Amino acid sequence: EIVMTQSPGTLSVSPGERATLSCRASQNIGSNLAWYQQRPGQPPRLLIYGASTRVIGVPVRFSGSGSGTEFTLTITSLQSEDYGFYYCQQYENRPPALTFGGGTKVEVK
Amino acid sequence: DVQLVQSGAEVKKPGESLKISCQASGYNFRTYWLAWVRQMPGKGLEWVGLIYPDDSDAIYSPSFQDHVAMSVDKSGRTTYLQWSSLRASDTAIYYCARRNYYYHSGGRHYGMDVWGQGTTVIVS
Repeated sequence: EIVMTQSPGTLSVSPGERATLSCRASQNIGSNLAWYQQRPGQPPRLLIYGASTRVIGVPVRFSGSGSGTEFTLTITSLQSEDYGFYYCQQYENRPPALTFGGGTKVEVK
Repeated sequence: DVQLVQSGAEVKKPGESLKISCQASGYNFRTYWLAWVRQMPGKGLEWVGLIYPDDSDAIYSPSFQDHVAMSVDKSGRTTYLQWSSLRASDTAIYYCARRNYYYHSGGRHYGMDVWGQGTTVIVS
């Protein structure tokens, strides 16, 4: 079973600053990685798939990078609506399966 | 509009059975895998399982394999998650989500692009 590890657990960032979130896979997953945002009291929202492709409608300040076992989600110029939790998730297809990371909380500094 | 609408909150006692639902609309229900995801109070997201409505092929996370069951009613465009004997540790919000697929850089990629509003299950 693939294990996804996110760091840090909590990230304190001032509005307008950059946030850098990390995600590590326990084995090579290529670019089979998605990122989700979850605001309090809401279901998650898909931001990125394929490690770096933004879903239509996601602001350009969100960018994903990485491949293999190391991945990064960067949020440039943090806005008030960006505070919340972020989860990485690896996916497989034969058979279909997925695993979430433990999440990173982005809070106001 | 593509939508997943889940059944309402439930309060149950340990040992009781439960079946919660997720009704889809606005897309071809049969040809997208649907996932169930658990979120325990104050915790992160955990994958419970995936089900393919067209043939009811179901894949479970090893952590949930022997404790829950997923099913589908194709005519009602509804998927279900059920327990035969609830435990206090089943207390959580359960989300259903559609697994969409995307073609990029010569490969096929996946993401859960539509989510239900969540069903709160309290076992106490």
